[in-house]
Order: sequence, then C-alpha cells, then structure tokens
Amino acid sequence: AQSVTQLGSHVSVSEGALVLLRCNYSSSVPPYLFWYVQYPNQGLQLLLKYTTGATLVKGINGFEAEFKKSETSFHLTKPSAHMSDAAEYFCAVSDKNTGNQFYFGTGTSLTVIP
Amino acid sequence: DTEVTQTPKHLVMGMTNKKSLKCEQHMGHRAMYWYKQKAKKPPELMFVYSYEKLSINESVPSRFSPECPNSSLLNLHLHALQPEDSALYLCASSRKDRVNEQFFGPGTRLTVL
Repeated sequence: AQSVTQLGSHVSVSEGALVLLRCNYSSSVPPYLFWYVQYPNQGLQLLLKYTTGATLVKGINGFEAEFKKSETSFHLTKPSAHMSDAAEYFCAVSDKNTGNQFYFGTGTSLTVIP
Repeated sequence: DTEVTQTPKHLVMGMTNKKSLKCEQHMGHRAMYWYKQKAKKPPELMFVYSYEKLSINESVPSRFSPECPNSSLLNLHLHALQPEDSALYLCASSRKDRVNEQFFGPGTRLTVL
C-alpha cells in the first residue's frame, strides 16, 4: 500500500525567501508523484508531476520538485516566495497497481509573511 | 476545454431533504471521481467511475448515491444526510489509458442543518 508523509503541517516564510515543502512516500514500486495547490474555497490545481524521465520537474508559478528514489522523497521548492503562494499544498502518489487512485498527504499550509 | 465544472457552488440542506450535486467535464476523460474534503484535511476518495461504471466505492454510506449518466457527467445524489456530512465535495476526472493527473473541479460547499 502507498502512504505519503508531509512533514510540517504549517510552514511560514518571508516574502522573497526560499520555499521548501517536504514530501516522503512509501511504495513498493516506482511511484507517480504529484503536487497540488489549493487556495481557499477552491478545488485542487496541479503544480507539477513526476512520472518517468528527468527527476527534476518544473511546474507552474516557479515551483519545482526533485524525485529522489534513494530518499523516497519529492520535496517542493520555490526560490523566492510571493504573497500569492499562500495556500494549502498536497503531495499525492499513485502507481500502476492502484491505477488512477491517489494517496494524498495530510497537506502543508504555507503562510507568506510580508 | 480543460475544466471540470461543479454545480451548485454552495448547498444548504436539511437532514430530510433530497438534493443532487452535478459534475461535468468535456476533456474526453473516462475516469471520474467524487471526493469529500473536510477543512484543513486532504480529500478523501468516495467513488470512482471508469468508463461510466462504478469501479471503486470506499465504503461510503448509502445516503450518498453516485450516478454516471454518460462519459461527461457525474452526479452525487444526497438523501437523509447528517450534519457531519457537511464538507467540500470535489469532483475530478482523468484519462484512463494511463496513470495521469486528476483534474479537479472547484467543489460544492455542502452544509447539512
């Protein structure tokens, strides 16, 4: 079975500072990995995904994530935080065995301090 | 069109009411999903439809009844709900031919009085 751990349910950064949101997974097969963002009272929007190929993945809004198999991690980063980045971020995992079923992490709430 | 739409945006209902949530997508996706999301929690999978057939029911109470009339439309019929069913209900869709990202709608905010 899959599981996803997001360390830190709340992260605060200053505007312009580095954003680092952590995601670790457990999977017996190579996973497919996703980061979603959710703004208040909205649905989830895909930021980026890793399926195969290059392990450094670039997404929308300046975010990127690196798949590290040896560390079973897929941490999300952004070099410079913007006020508009304040939102809830979810890491999700799926694999060929579960088809399109996703396993979500518990989420990280990002606050950006002006 | 890369959008999943959901109606209504907000719904308030009593415990004896019958109501329905509607979800629509025109991306040609053949897998559609219902999720329930409580505040500050991740979405919880309720149902999965694959090629208009129910493929996954995550032990959801029978007061929630899904329906997939065609490949573009997904409904969730609600009856005799409880206050603890108040939540954001999200619909999503994805391509079925390979594992791929799910596209989420904006959700319906449901309040059960």
